[in-house]
Amino acid sequence: EDKVVQSPLSLVVHEGDTVTLNCSYEVTNFRSLLWYKQEKKAPTFLFMLTSSGIEKKSGRLSSILDKKELFSILNITATQTGDSAVYLCAPTSGTYKYIFGTGTRLKVLA
Amino acid sequence: DGGITQSPKYLFRKEGQNVTLSCEQNLNHDAMYWYRQDPGQGLRLIYYSQIVNDFQKGDIAEGYSVSREKKESFPLTVTSAQKNPTAFYLCASSLGGFGDTEAFFGQGTRLTVV
Repeated sequence: EDKVVQSPLSLVVHEGDTVTLNCSYEVTNFRSLLWYKQEKKAPTFLFMLTSSGIEKKSGRLSSILDKKELFSILNITATQTGDSAVYLCAPTSGTYKYIFGTGTRLKVLA
Repeated sequence: DGGITQSPKYLFRKEGQNVTLSCEQNLNHDAMYWYRQDPGQGLRLIYYSQIVNDFQKGDIAEGYSVSREKKESFPLTVTSAQKNPTAFYLCASSLGGFGDTEAFFGQGTRLTVV
C-alpha cells in the first residue's frame, strides 16, 4: 500500500527563522514528488522533483529529493507571515495518482 | 483565463439526498481527479479519470459516483450511501503523462450535511 508521512504535523516559528519540512514515502512505481502550499482553499504548486540530489529553488524556498532513502525536504529560509500555510507533499505513481500526505501546518508569527 | 472551476463553493444537503458537485476545466487536460479533505487531514483520492468515458476508483470511492462524458467536465455525485459526507471537496486536473506533470486545483466545494 502506498504511504506518505510528513513531519512535523505542525510548526510555529517567528519571522526570520528557517524551517525544514520532511516527507517520507513508499510508493509503487514512483515517478516524481510534488510539493504544494495550501493557504485557504486550492493547493498551489511549488516544486516537482524527479531526480535525487538536485536542489530546486524558488526565492526563499528550496527542495531536494533522495530516491534511495525515499524522502524529500522543503526548506524555507527567512520565513515571513505570508508563509503560514499547510504544506503538502505528493509522490506520484505510474498510474496517474498523486498520493498526498497529511501536510505540515506552518504558522509564522510576526 | 485557463483554470478549473468548481461549483458551488458551499453546499448544504439534507441526510438521504444525493448532491452533485461540478468541476469544469479549460486547460485541455486529459486527467481529472476528485479529492476529499477533512479537518487536519491530507487529501484522499475519491475517483480519477485518465481519459473521456473512463474513470477509476480511488481510495475512498464508496458512496460516490462520477462520469466523464466530456474532456472538460468531471462531476462528482455524493450519494445517500456516503455515511459521512461533510467535508471539503477538491477537483484537480493534469496534462497526464504518468505523474510527471503537476496537478492544478479548483477552489473547492465545502459540503455540509444538515
